[in-house]
Amino acid sequence: QKEVEQDPGPLSVPEGAIVSLNCTYSNSAFQYFMWYRQYSRKGPELLMYTYSSGNKEDGRFTAQVDKSSKYISLFIRDSQPSDSATYLCAMMSSGNTGKLIFGQGTTLQVKP
Amino acid sequence: GAVVSQHPSWVICKSGTSVKIECRSLDFQATTMFWYRQFPKQSLMLMATSNEGSKATYEQGVEKDKFLINHASLTLSTLTVTSAHPEDSSFYICSARGLGGTSGHYNEQFFGPGTRLTVL
Repeated sequence: QKEVEQDPGPLSVPEGAIVSLNCTYSNSAFQYFMWYRQYSRKGPELLMYTYSSGNKEDGRFTAQVDKSSKYISLFIRDSQPSDSATYLCAMMSSGNTGKLIFGQGTTLQVKP
Repeated sequence: GAVVSQHPSWVICKSGTSVKIECRSLDFQATTMFWYRQFPKQSLMLMATSNEGSKATYEQGVEKDKFLINHASLTLSTLTVTSAHPEDSSFYICSARGLGGTSGHYNEQFFGPGTRLTVL
């Protein structure tokens, strides 16, 4: 079993839809949770960074962490064609190693 | 925000040759840099962690003699793929973590744009 599971999709939605992306994990030591967006042939771009449980909102993006269920989500409101990309969840335990464990990534396509 | 650059952005080389990839933090000092490899339609796999002034720590299954990492300064780390073979063809991405205060969170990593390596 992988430490982080993420449905690879692809996920196709119409423009303006609400998108829900999620990851599950098995390691209860994870404390830091991140969502990255990666366009084709580019490096990942940090979207959301969350420590421990709770919600965080930034513009059209909302990240949720439920540590009791070992489940994290990213919601995108009013999705735009420019949101079409691969979304990667990443997690890290406390401590100083900085080692990120990534999910497989979900490919999202927002159709005009 | 913090910017990380990589050079070259793509490289094609012959089998058996060595290729060096540079990773630079442009506007902050990076105490730690990470090197990842990404195959098509797959996620990022950590290869090694590089701390300035010390030897890199390699992940299990990554050959340290094949993937040489040097982190000589707080703004530069290099990855050299030695005696490259076609199976080394991949997308190599670095990330950098700054000193406290350079970003909102000490543990935040900033990724470079990646280097696409093709070995013929």
